[in-house]
Amino acid sequence: KAGVTQTPRYLIKTRGQQVTLSCSPISGHRSVSWYQQTPGQGLQFLFEYFSETQRNKGNFPGRFSGRQFSNSRSEMNVSTLELGDSALYLCASSPVRTGGLYEQYFGPGTRLTVT
Amino acid sequence: AQSVTQLDSQVPVFEEAPVELRCNYSSSVSVYLFWYVQYPNQGLQLLLKYLSGSTLVKGINGFEAEFNKSQTSFHLRKPSVHISDTAEYFCAVTLVVNTGNQFYFGTGTSLTVIP
Repeated sequence: KAGVTQTPRYLIKTRGQQVTLSCSPISGHRSVSWYQQTPGQGLQFLFEYFSETQRNKGNFPGRFSGRQFSNSRSEMNVSTLELGDSALYLCASSPVRTGGLYEQYFGPGTRLTVT
Repeated sequence: AQSVTQLDSQVPVFEEAPVELRCNYSSSVSVYLFWYVQYPNQGLQLLLKYLSGSTLVKGINGFEAEFNKSQTSFHLRKPSVHISDTAEYFCAVTLVVNTGNQFYFGTGTSLTVIP
């Protein structure tokens, strides 16, 4: 099976702009989670989508939003970019099992630089 | 509240020497434990997982970890490291809740293998 893919891999934006990142999960995986990784804060959970619904959300401002499509692909949007949004954004997909535990499989990430 | 603490931010070790990367967690409920590895400019790769059963867990690339409930620890070990083990290692805790799984990551340990 192909792994989790993320596009684009690198992105440079200017403060105040908005950005959309894309994630294609492993075939058959219905859960997609997003993380922000920075040297200072480490890995921070943004949100999780399952069957087109946001199921869990981390502690990020409303400028960060996401959505999931019927084919499980997901997009993450950040509006009004700030310098502090510069980070590696990781997407992870999971083979959700009803009532059970599931593992996460990570994509290579999108490196966002805000200038 | 749940948290994951990786006690060492950087661990240098000589090639073919043993290594231990420490991880402690705090949780008021049962948890599932994972170790992930991240190579430069890549996403996270699952090394090993503890779900239940034997407290000694074996993973890929010769790594193993031991779950110690009384000490709330899940330390990662390898008896003989290789140059290719140089990477960032993350300990993670998963809680199964009615809305899905919640994931908490440590801040990471940078392992540098010295030739």
